[in-house]
Amino acid sequence: RKEVEQDPGPFNVPEGATVAFNCTYSNSASQSFFWYRQDCRKEPKLLMSVYSSGNEDGRFTAQLNRASQYISLLIRDSKLSDSATYLCVVNPASGGSYIPTFGRGTSLIVHP
Amino acid sequence: DVKVTQSSRYLVKRTGEKVFLECVQDMDHENMFWYRQDPGLGLRLIYFSYDVKMKEKGDIPEGYSVSREKKERFSLILESASTNQTSMYLCASSSPGGAEQFFGPGTRLTVL
Repeated sequence: RKEVEQDPGPFNVPEGATVAFNCTYSNSASQSFFWYRQDCRKEPKLLMSVYSSGNEDGRFTAQLNRASQYISLLIRDSKLSDSATYLCVVNPASGGSYIPTFGRGTSLIVHP
Repeated sequence: DVKVTQSSRYLVKRTGEKVFLECVQDMDHENMFWYRQDPGLGLRLIYFSYDVKMKEKGDIPEGYSVSREKKERFSLILESASTNQTSMYLCASSSPGGAEQFFGPGTRLTVL
């Protein structure tokens, strides 16, 4: 079983739609979680951190479900500029060397 | 503005050549990473360094070595380039403890 799994998509949605991605992880002791955004031929950039209490930033909401071991990203009112690949990142438990594990990414295409 | 820079955006080398990829960060980060990214495979960790002169192998270290003589600089070396090392190479840095990673713009390496 892969440590971090994402549906590769692509998710093809119209402008204004609400879309949600999930990311499952296998290490129950994982400590910190992030969503990154990667545009075509660009480097990944942090979109948002995922806290136990959830995290909202404008149209974006991230949630953590420790019991079921997944994190989610919800995008409301999708814009054309949201088209990108979304990577989830899981950091291991403390005491190790903190090598983060990346999912393979979920591709989002927002069309007019 | 935080910055991770990589020595080249595009590089073309011949099979058997020795290739150096340089990465410099200006954030005084302890951790530095080298990844390669290929379509459908996501980001794969080659090597990780958590301090000067310290390194750990990632998931795919074969055919690569690294050097970290100064805190701000992390070099990836392909001892004898092969065509299957054609890829996008991304460098990243972070503070210790599972913090956000900052990525460089990437080097697209083609080995002929």
